[in-house]
Amino acid sequence: EVQLLESGGGLVQPGGSLRLSCAASGFTFSNYAMSWVRQAPGKGLEWVSSISSGGSTYYADSVKGRFTISRDNSKNTVYVQMSSLRAEDTAVYYCANSRITGTTGEDFDYWGQGTLVTVSS
Amino acid sequence: DIQMTQSPSSLSASVGDRVIITCRASQSISSHLNWYQQKPGKAPKFLIYAASSLQRGVPSRFSGSGSGTDFTLSISGLQPEDFATYYCQQSYSTPYTFGQGTKLEIK
Repeated sequence: EVQLLESGGGLVQPGGSLRLSCAASGFTFSNYAMSWVRQAPGKGLEWVSSISSGGSTYYADSVKGRFTISRDNSKNTVYVQMSSLRAEDTAVYYCANSRITGTTGEDFDYWGQGTLVTVSS
Repeated sequence: DIQMTQSPSSLSASVGDRVIITCRASQSISSHLNWYQQKPGKAPKFLIYAASSLQRGVPSRFSGSGSGTDFTLSISGLQPEDFATYYCQQSYSTPYTFGQGTKLEIK
């Protein structure tokens, strides 16, 4: 059974930093692209970033230069390091794996339960 | 960026009805279109990929069609568990964009 478990969310001040983690199990993690998708309170879904199985990274313009996605295949974990956080980054952050191997993370198969990031003073 | 526009934004229907949700892309995306279902307080669920292929475990009352810029999600014989918000998403190019969502409510 595929499981994705996010952690690391919380309250952070504007301009601060936070690192989210997503621990994966139930599939061969190293073969699949992984992604982060967020949802602001009461709003729709927004793709944030993806990392391919080979380590290529992709970002939404809204987070480029501030967020860094990475993966540790030995720990079956994907991370997103978030810095220079803004109020508009407040959202539930979900991690998701890709549907098939060898992609760049363009679709979102299994999702975690999400972790809430609140940026406020 | 490719803009995805769904219509309607909300929809009321009864159990047993057939509903259609449309999704339009601002440029051609071939068949690179996915659909997700989200219930309140829950993570989205992957329903359909490549415009018309059902993801594993998704009931056959769900179907998708379209290519280019215009796509539809159809649900026939609505069940109580189908009342949720539905999102389309283009997987043609980054940034991977979603539609604004269609909330399907019980009439």
